[in-house]
This record gives sequence, structure tokens and C-alpha cells, in this order.
Amino acid sequence: DAKTTQPNSMESNEEEPVHLPCNHSTISGTDYIHWYRQLPSQGPEYVIHGLTSNVNNRMASLAIAEDRKSSTLILHRATLRDAAVYYCILIVLGAQKLVFGQGTRLTINP
Amino acid sequence: EPEVTQTPSHQVTQMGQEVILRCVPISNHLYFYWYRQILGQKVEFLVSFYNNEISEKSEIFDDQFSVERPDGSNFTLKIRSTKLEDSAMYFCASSGLQGKAGELFFGEGSRLTVL
Repeated sequence: DAKTTQPNSMESNEEEPVHLPCNHSTISGTDYIHWYRQLPSQGPEYVIHGLTSNVNNRMASLAIAEDRKSSTLILHRATLRDAAVYYCILIVLGAQKLVFGQGTRLTINP
Repeated sequence: EPEVTQTPSHQVTQMGQEVILRCVPISNHLYFYWYRQILGQKVEFLVSFYNNEISEKSEIFDDQFSVERPDGSNFTLKIRSTKLEDSAMYFCASSGLQGKAGELFFGEGSRLTVL
């Protein structure tokens, strides 16, 4: 599985945008970029995924670099409920499993 | 919104005892998974299940583990003879669109404590 690198932790303030980076320099052409998050004492939760183009949904936006070697998850207006560990995961189309790294622990200050 | 439900939320057992963790996946999903997370560590893949058989399993999923879909709704994980190191949070997940890199829906987990 191609490796991703994320900062161990980040901190932001409530109602401000948050940009969570992920490096995946060894990504292959068939790897999808997925983001999941895990709120305290809960199971992982799907956030967003993309292949080449930027993606938006009700939870977040995903900005993918032109060379696909990095991506950024954008939370447009963070709330206290967004405090979680965020995982950037590469998945080959049709793959059976998610391989979780350590992720980025996001703290939101009131 | 449909969700994956897991029971029990917490189970305490003695080492060597059998444990069954139960999951009700989202009703129209076809792909089922078990993951686990030892306290303070990463979420780890255990097994995936499709069309009534295991499609992939990790090194963790040894002969002490088994999965079953006994009826149209439940998906179970059995640990035959629990060890101390099996203490962890076990997450069930289901997916309906694996072939399209679709999202996995996770349950809230079952915490297993082996004494």
C-alpha cells in the first residue's frame, strides 16, 4: 500500500477554516485518496474521497495537487464537533481494506 | 440515516473464554468488515466478507477468529479462546459500493476486555 504522511497534530479555532495536509509522493495512478475521521470514543467516519479533481461535499472539500503527490482536506468553518483524528488513506480501486496510519489529531479551540 | 449497529457495547471476559461480537450492517450493503483498535494504537483491518465467504484477512485474523453471517441481517465475529492481547475496540463496517471505491460505514464499536 502506498504510504501517506500527515502531521501528528494540528490546532485551530472554532468557526475558522482548517487545512489538513497529506503527502503521498508514491501514489499510483489507480489510488483513490480517501479521508476518514474518528471522533473520540467512536468508530471511523467517512469524510470524502477523490481521484484527480477537487471534490466538495457537505462535510468538507478535498483539494488534490496537480501531480497528485499531496492533498489537503479543508473544513471551511470548524466547529467543536470537528475535533477528531483525521486519516488520509490511499485505496486502489477494488481494494478490500483501509490501511489506517496515525492520522492528524485536530484540536478545535472555542 | 441508516447505520451499522454493534452489540455488546462492552464485554468483559476471562482469558480462554469464547466471545461473539455481533453487528447489524446497513441493510442493502454487500461487503462486511471487522477492524480492531487496541487502546492508543492504530485502527487495524481484520477481515472482509462478501458473498458468504471471507475475501481477505490480515495476519491478525488467525485460527482463533471466525466470522459468520448466520442470517440475512447479522454479521458476527467469534474469538474462540480469548487472550489478554485481544483486548481492544472491535469495529464492524459495511459497504455497498466497494467496486467503486465507495465509503465504508462503521459502527460505534464493541469494547472487549480480557482479564
